[in-house]
Amino acid sequence: GESVGLHLPTLSVQEGDNSIINCAYSNSASDYFIWYKQESGKGPQFIIDIRSNMDKRQGQRVTVLLNKTVKHLSLQIAATQPGDSAVYFCAENPRGGADGLTFGKGTHLIIQP
Amino acid sequence: NAGVTQTPKFQVLKTGQSMTLQCAQDMNHNSMYWYRQDPGMGLRLIYYSASEGTTDKGEVPNGYNVSRLNKREFSLRLESAAPSQTSVYFCASRIQQNTIYFGEGSWLTVV
Repeated sequence: GESVGLHLPTLSVQEGDNSIINCAYSNSASDYFIWYKQESGKGPQFIIDIRSNMDKRQGQRVTVLLNKTVKHLSLQIAATQPGDSAVYFCAENPRGGADGLTFGKGTHLIIQP
Repeated sequence: NAGVTQTPKFQVLKTGQSMTLQCAQDMNHNSMYWYRQDPGMGLRLIYYSASEGTTDKGEVPNGYNVSRLNKREFSLRLESAAPSQTSVYFCASRIQQNTIYFGEGSWLTVV
């Protein structure tokens, strides 16, 4: 079954507000997590990653939080802009090996003017 | 630096026809992957190659074959296309236990 999932298929936020996209995973052995952004007609683009020995990592306007106790991952986008409109996927590396990532179904982030 | 390049971008096939999707990466990555993406769903792994000379099945391998031609190239073949294989196909590559980088996708329609 699906080991990585999203809580909401669509998230609508006002431009300038902060966005929080959530993700649950079920495999406690996963040791690496990634957030991707996918714009219409394009391939998934890496945003930020985090390893299981961390609980927070910050990038430019983005923060990923990892709560291993409840197997929860979130992506926070500060001061959301129109260009942030896309589908966001979380992904986990279930066995820490080279056999690919398992993806959630994605959350469509819609920016309201 | 082109990253991951896949061809063709668009293709329409008739049921029963065969075709090969080509993929090449210039990042010297060991591992390469083929995913498919269907409406409202995440990416599902078809096949992967952990290193040159090896290939393994992913979640949805039926109806597909792959060839790891060399370290740079990893092709996906549909021997007898079916409408259920209408999808967007993404090739990807990575260095082990790090980020996977994706190509721009190949839109395939089987009629």
